[in-house]
Amino acid sequence: QKEVEQDPGPLSVPEGAIVSLNCTYSNSAFQYFMWYRQYSRKGPELLMYTYSSGNKEDGRFTAQVDKSSKYISLFIRDSQPSDSATYLCAMKLTGGGNKLTFGTGTQLKVEL
Amino acid sequence: DADVTQTPRNRITKTGKRIMLECSQTKGHDRMYWYRQDPGLGLRLIYYSFDVKDINKGEISDGYSVSRQAQAKFSLSLESAIPNQTALYFCATSDFPGSYGYTFGSGTRLTVV
Repeated sequence: QKEVEQDPGPLSVPEGAIVSLNCTYSNSAFQYFMWYRQYSRKGPELLMYTYSSGNKEDGRFTAQVDKSSKYISLFIRDSQPSDSATYLCAMKLTGGGNKLTFGTGTQLKVEL
Repeated sequence: DADVTQTPRNRITKTGKRIMLECSQTKGHDRMYWYRQDPGLGLRLIYYSFDVKDINKGEISDGYSVSRQAQAKFSLSLESAIPNQTALYFCATSDFPGSYGYTFGSGTRLTVV
């Protein structure tokens, strides 16, 4: 079993829809949670960052962490075609040498 | 210029050849990483370096070696390339403590035939 599980999709939604992307994890020691966005033929770029449990909002994006359920989510409101990309969750232990553990990514397509 | 630059962007090589992938960064970060990305497997850590004198193996280091020539440069070598090393390779950097994540390069698409 992988430490971090993520549905690969693809997920196709109409423009303007609310998108929910999720990851589950098995290691309760993860404390830092990140979402990266990766466009085709590009490297991942950091989108959202959360420490421990709770919510964080940045414009149309909201990241949620539920440590009791070992479940994290990324919500995208008013989705746009430019949001079409692969979204990877990533997690880090406290300390842990800065090493991140990544999910496999969910491919999202926002249709006009 | 990009913060993290990888060269080459694309490379096709033959089985058994030695190949080097290069990475340079202008972020001033101490920590550098090499990952490979495969469909369905995600990003897997090959090697990482916390400074010029500190090199560590990741989860899939067999068949690879690295060199940290300077704070800004970290190269990955495939000593004798094999077809299952065909993948997308990414270099990344982070700042201590790096809790805010990595900065990735644009990747090198390597094909071993």
